[in-house]
Amino acid sequence: GNSVTQMEGPVTLSEEAFLTINCTYTATGYPSLFWYVQYPGEGLQLLLKATKADDKGSNKGFEATYRKETTSFHLEKGSVQVSDSAVYFCALADATGNQFYFGTGTSLTVIP
Amino acid sequence: DAGITQSPRHKVTETGTPVTLRCHQTENHRYMYWYRQDPGHGLRLIHYSYGVKDTDKGEVSDGYSVSRSKTEDFLLTLESATSSQTSVYFCAISPTSYRVREQYFGPGTRLTVT
Repeated sequence: GNSVTQMEGPVTLSEEAFLTINCTYTATGYPSLFWYVQYPGEGLQLLLKATKADDKGSNKGFEATYRKETTSFHLEKGSVQVSDSAVYFCALADATGNQFYFGTGTSLTVIP
Repeated sequence: DAGITQSPRHKVTETGTPVTLRCHQTENHRYMYWYRQDPGHGLRLIHYSYGVKDTDKGEVSDGYSVSRSKTEDFLLTLESATSSQTSVYFCAISPTSYRVREQYFGPGTRLTVT
């Protein structure tokens, strides 16, 4: 079946530190992969996406590369800011595009 | 921001009562989804719709039903609410695009079943 596993939090970093949040997946066929961000009291917002192997999604300084050989889609940012404090979700859309699977979320807190 | 509203935003109800949550969109997107969010589980898909009167089950559909009589509205019904259905419910919409189906989420409904 399809599933997403992401690193557990919470993660606390100092401002300007390097961020990595690990995400691995299990899927049949060729899924699409996504990172979503959720700020307190709000719904999820799409952060970036990748639809095929070796694609790199990027947005607002965040990047993630679709690695089929390691079934991974790790989120990275070179220098985090306090405003990046949120919960980050890795997600997979199956080969049909109809079913979505989310990881459990990783809470990030960035301190000044 | 995508035009998605959910109502009510908060609801407290008793075990055994029926509850209907509404999702309304102004984007004319074909696909609509209902999720529940619980600690330790992330988001789990309950039901989705791929057009008016066209719906299908997700990962955790037991105890829930949905209806979509208009493109803009997608209703989630708990026929007889149980305490295990206490959760935050999110609606999402997605335009028609083969496979690259980005989702846009509503603000959520916090449901408490006592």
